[in-house]
Amino acid sequence: QPVLTQPTSLSASPGASARFTCTLRSGINVGTSRIYWYQQKPGSLPRYLLRYKSDSDAQQGSGVPSRFSGSKDASTNAGLLLISGLQSEDEADYYCAIWYSSAWVFGGGTKLTVL
Amino acid sequence: QVQLQESGPGLVKPSETLSLTCSVSGGSINSYYWSWIRQPAGKGLEWIGRIYTSGSTNYNPSLGSRVTMSVDTSKNQFSLKLSSVTAADTAVYYCARQDSAEYFFDYWGQGTLVTVSS
Repeated sequence: QPVLTQPTSLSASPGASARFTCTLRSGINVGTSRIYWYQQKPGSLPRYLLRYKSDSDAQQGSGVPSRFSGSKDASTNAGLLLISGLQSEDEADYYCAIWYSSAWVFGGGTKLTVL
Repeated sequence: QVQLQESGPGLVKPSETLSLTCSVSGGSINSYYWSWIRQPAGKGLEWIGRIYTSGSTNYNPSLGSRVTMSVDTSKNQFSLKLSSVTAADTAVYYCARQDSAEYFFDYWGQGTLVTVSS
């Protein structure tokens, strides 16, 4: 079972909200994990969006709009990336990452289609 | 503005060693963690490993003992060697810096495509 599992794809309409999940492997507690989120548009470098552990331990990337936010779902042991007011420019791949067992681990990524 | 630039052969034969160097400009290499990350065409990101300017390293356990990283602070460069390569190692290889406070990857090289083929 992978350390981090992300759905392959997600689609949503302009102006709507998108909810990305990053499920941690059983035995890795989302409650104590700092989850990092990156956005990668086609042909571009990954861009850091934000880090989330809790509401009091969160950090937004420089220049990242407030409509991007992080959260957690303890019931499913998942980190969440929430994007509100979707725009066509948000169409991209989104990756979560954690520092686990002295190594960075990336999720497989979720491709967001805005249609 | 910090800039990173990868350099090295774009074609490596199977079973040989892939060698890449990342040159850092616009800032000091000191007191940061520097990583290599790769991305096969159409696939996701895979972290290969990192090195601190003291020389301490962490590697992706899935790559085992095939990975070696080094740093040359006098040249503001760090390097990657990946041995016994196969076609599965074909990817765009990025070098990246970790922010010193929050540890996210804040600066990335443009990436260099390395193809493993005879």
